[in-house]
Amino acid sequence: DTAVSQTPKYLVTQMGNDKSIKCEQNLGHDTMYWYKQDSKKFLKIMFSYNNKELIINETVPNRFSPKSPDKAHLNLHINSLELGDSAVYFCASSQESSGVYEQYFGPGTRLTVT
Amino acid sequence: AQSVTQLDSQVPVFEEAPVELRCNYSSSVSVYLFWYVQYPNQGLQLLLKYLSGSTLVKGINGFEAEFNKSQTSFHLRKPSVHISDTAEYFCAVRTYSSASKIIFGSGTRLSIRP
Repeated sequence: DTAVSQTPKYLVTQMGNDKSIKCEQNLGHDTMYWYKQDSKKFLKIMFSYNNKELIINETVPNRFSPKSPDKAHLNLHINSLELGDSAVYFCASSQESSGVYEQYFGPGTRLTVT
Repeated sequence: AQSVTQLDSQVPVFEEAPVELRCNYSSSVSVYLFWYVQYPNQGLQLLLKYLSGSTLVKGINGFEAEFNKSQTSFHLRKPSVHISDTAEYFCAVRTYSSASKIIFGSGTRLSIRP
């Protein structure tokens, strides 16, 4: 039983293309996140949704657009991909309303832009 | 705003030796503290967390950490490491307020030598 799943695991694409990464959690959590981890392992939050509502939107290019069709899903769409978008993208979830705060992470999607 | 500093980017130790991974934080308000572990090519997994109460926190895989408010530190320790502990370790902090984001440190690479 995978708690937080992401697809695809690997994504290789050319500059200028548009791509999407999907995330699903089966933990019943109310909050989901997208993080970007660069080649030096630095982890930075991009977005956070609570009950389908955007609550955190860091300084991210507007080429990145998250979409949450329901509480269990948070997808990330990226337009006009650039070389600098190459990274590992992690989805995570947590149950904020219960005051637990620990986040559960997916396995990551390694995006390579050529 | 809060921040996290992990003082060592890499820590090499011999198998069965003790280890301490250092973490200092900065915040003008009370915080929750976390340690996460990332094994190669995997997502992050929670090792332990400090929310309140006892300042000595025990986590999974024999790790523990001590919250020191006066020194604003949350160092991670293990008395005897195994080869399987080879991984990247991240210290993280978030404030008490709702919709607060977790700020991750830059990570410490723990490498175990036989």
